[in-house]
Amino acid sequence: GDSVTQMEGPVTLSEEAFLTINCTYTATGYPSLFWYVQYPGEGLQLLLKATKADDKGSNKGFEATYRKETTSFHLEKGSVQVSDSAVYFCAASGEEYGNKLVFGAGTILRVKS
Amino acid sequence: DTGVSQDPRHKITKRGQNVTFRCDPISEHNRLYWYRQTLGQGPEFLTYFQNEAQLEKSRLLSDRFSAERPKGSFSTLEIQRTEQGDSAMYLCASSLTGLAGDTQYFGPGTRLTVL
Repeated sequence: GDSVTQMEGPVTLSEEAFLTINCTYTATGYPSLFWYVQYPGEGLQLLLKATKADDKGSNKGFEATYRKETTSFHLEKGSVQVSDSAVYFCAASGEEYGNKLVFGAGTILRVKS
Repeated sequence: DTGVSQDPRHKITKRGQNVTFRCDPISEHNRLYWYRQTLGQGPEFLTYFQNEAQLEKSRLLSDRFSAERPKGSFSTLEIQRTEQGDSAMYLCASSLTGLAGDTQYFGPGTRLTVL
């Protein structure tokens, strides 16, 4: 079935380092793509989204571009902060996913000062 | 916009007991979803409602689980005869159809521990 795969963690970076978390999806159509973030002890917060090919979602310095040719939606940030330490989830939804969100397993990010 | 709220935030119960969780969605949202998240995993879909109609149920939702949304507003998720394997975070989300991407917004979750 349709699925979402993201890179395994944990990812440990020093403050101000560049971040990339890879995410790929399987679908023949054009699902909507999302990144959610979960801080310790909290629920999921929407970080950014893109709904069609070549769209770029961005928020709080994070960016991700919807690449249909590689079925990818990689998350990037140019300079991470300690406060970015959290678990990041890539997700897809749409007709092929039955109107529900299908999540990757999550990537733990740890940023050291 | 007060966001999605869930109650209780934490529930500890003994195996075999019944538990019920409540979710209040964002007020104008017509879709409401339940997910389950276990440690180290992404959330897994359980069921969703459009208004008061339950449109889809996952195979994960055994007959011990039942969900309702009687007036198309808040929803309840009941687990009967709880088992230790039911221990997880239960997440509720809501969305408004018609907007591009049908973005789901999540509540803080109810953490269930079955002893």
